[in-house]
Amino acid sequence: KNEVEQSPQNLTAQEGEFITINCSYSVGISALHWLQQHPGGGIVSLFMLSSGKKKHGRLIATINIQEKHSSLHITASHPRDSAVYICAVQKTSYDKVIFGPGTSLSVIP
Amino acid sequence: EPEVTQTPSHQVTQMGQEVILRCVPISNHLYFYWYRQILGQKVEFLVSFYNNEISEKSEIFDDQFSVERPDGSNFTLKIRSTKLEDSAMYFCASITSGSREFFGPGTRLTVL
Repeated sequence: KNEVEQSPQNLTAQEGEFITINCSYSVGISALHWLQQHPGGGIVSLFMLSSGKKKHGRLIATINIQEKHSSLHITASHPRDSAVYICAVQKTSYDKVIFGPGTSLSVIP
Repeated sequence: EPEVTQTPSHQVTQMGQEVILRCVPISNHLYFYWYRQILGQKVEFLVSFYNNEISEKSEIFDDQFSVERPDGSNFTLKIRSTKLEDSAMYFCASITSGSREFFGPGTRLTVL
């Protein structure tokens, strides 16, 4: 069983739509990461969360530790947001990152 | 912002050849990692390295793989005899106390 699951696997949205990507995990964690991967492969860290909510520009990430669930929201989506969004967790501070399968987002003009 | 660098960006090799992938972690970081991503699949952990030794390795990291920090700045991943199934994107990462994990841009390895 995968320790990190994401839904949906693929998502197509119209420009301007509000987008939510969900992540659930089955292990105790010290931190949860939301990462972005563009075609060409580089991984960019968007958020690192251990509790509550973080906001950066049009991106909002929330985590519910009791429910073992996190969401990434994108407000006013734009074609440049098209990428794979990956949820990943760490069990302890210096532990390896355990990656989810990713959600492929395509925002259409 | 500091960044992890990796060279080369793309390596093409023949099956059975040795390859060395190089990474320069962020200078004050103490923990180093290699991950790989086969095309179309999720990123998988290979190995973590701390205090000049392997701290954890995955089932993928068999005797064909080795890591080294030869000079206090570079962090290398060696594959002794490459197989077709080693074709993947390889990411290096580093971390220090209280920080998030910083990922390098990756090396795309193609084994022919």
